[in-house]
Amino acid sequence: DTEVTQTPKHLVMGMTNKKSLKCEQHMGHRAMYWYKQKAKKPPELMFVYSYEKLSINESVPSRFSPECPNSSLLNLHLHALQPEDSALYLCASNGQGGYGYTFGSGTRLTVV
Amino acid sequence: GDSVTQMEGPVTLSEEAFLTINCTYTATGYPSLFWYVQYPGEGLQLLLKATKADDKGSNKGFEATYRKETTSFHLEKGSVQVSDSAVYFCALSVSSGSARQLTFGSGTQLTVLP
Repeated sequence: DTEVTQTPKHLVMGMTNKKSLKCEQHMGHRAMYWYKQKAKKPPELMFVYSYEKLSINESVPSRFSPECPNSSLLNLHLHALQPEDSALYLCASNGQGGYGYTFGSGTRLTVV
Repeated sequence: GDSVTQMEGPVTLSEEAFLTINCTYTATGYPSLFWYVQYPGEGLQLLLKATKADDKGSNKGFEATYRKETTSFHLEKGSVQVSDSAVYFCALSVSSGSARQLTFGSGTQLTVLP
């Protein structure tokens, strides 16, 4: 299995909702990432997990809460989002010593 | 800090034309270099990579050579197809603590006309 699987593919949520994005990989990669991508822009790093521990938080608002329950799973919990948080959320993983990141196909989030 | 400067787009070419997308970088240490492609409505796919100076990455007719002396990693393809229409991102990766981080260029939109 050489894929990163993200669910759901599309999500529409209200500003008072709580939802979660899920990311899964079975490549044995020990580094996992969340990126946010706005239209026509490059991905922006949000969080990095290394060996299931949060190693980097790029000053992301607390309404985004990451979680890494085990080495294969990465979640992003969403609460009280704003319309400007609408974007494509990408998950990626990277193996130790490897130099290629594998990206999922993303969750397209719309906040209404 | 580390950065990637990428050719401004959009780029519009006719089918079978030659493609070059310029990419230069600034980094401490010895970065690995990548080209990613993003088709409409999709995530990023690794197109090719190079991990040390003078390495040439190649895939699907695309090539890029890691030039340390000019800090460049230009993407080329001899004959583009309509199906190559996408956004192309140059990126570099350096080790940072226990996880490597990926730094992207701004992206170049390529449109190939039949």
